[in-house]
Amino acid sequence: DVKVTQSSRYLVKRTGEKVFLECVQDMDHENMFWYRQDPGLGLRLIYFSYDVKMKEKGDIPEGYSVSREKKERFSLILESASTNQTSMYLCASTSLVEGKDTQYFGPGTRLTVL
Amino acid sequence: GESVGLHLPTLSVQEGDNSIINCAYSNSASDYFIWYKQESGKGPQFIIDIRSNMDKRQGQRVTVLLNKTVKHLSLQIAATQPGDSAVYFCAENAGGTSYGKLTFGQGTILTVHP
Repeated sequence: DVKVTQSSRYLVKRTGEKVFLECVQDMDHENMFWYRQDPGLGLRLIYFSYDVKMKEKGDIPEGYSVSREKKERFSLILESASTNQTSMYLCASTSLVEGKDTQYFGPGTRLTVL
Repeated sequence: GESVGLHLPTLSVQEGDNSIINCAYSNSASDYFIWYKQESGKGPQFIIDIRSNMDKRQGQRVTVLLNKTVKHLSLQIAATQPGDSAVYFCAENAGGTSYGKLTFGQGTILTVHP
């Protein structure tokens, strides 16, 4: 089974802090994604990566950056956390080898910025 | 706006009944569709998928129907159980070089009463 893990289930940070959210997948998937999920807005794509050291902006990249130094790990960085970044953050990965784009999700990180 | 949407935001059924969750999509180029289940506090979990060259696919207690003429997708759950209570999302991939990016619907809340 595909396993996607996220470093924290719950996180509380203060405004202005630098925040790192880590995601690791164990299936050698090429593509990895970061979403945030908010009530009434659904899943919104922040950034994705299709290879090591490669990244692409999603729909809402402002205030975020990412890092993919190794294939299995994709990190989301909030350079200076703000209260409007309080949200559920979801990481996903997918392999296009089989021609299917099924994304497998991690358990999510509930981030609260005070 | 959302290119994938749901007709009903909530659905309540009795245990043992069959459930039908609907989804409309707008991108006629989409060639792959997925249904996800998300339980409270957890990440979305893959349920079933279907390619655009099919109109029906069955899994264990679940069936996905695709009507490309009217751009409509549905998820049928047979003999619904309390453990099926969750939010259900449909997602589509337009294919091509989208790097496995998916567009998600808002979700339908399914509540199963014992």
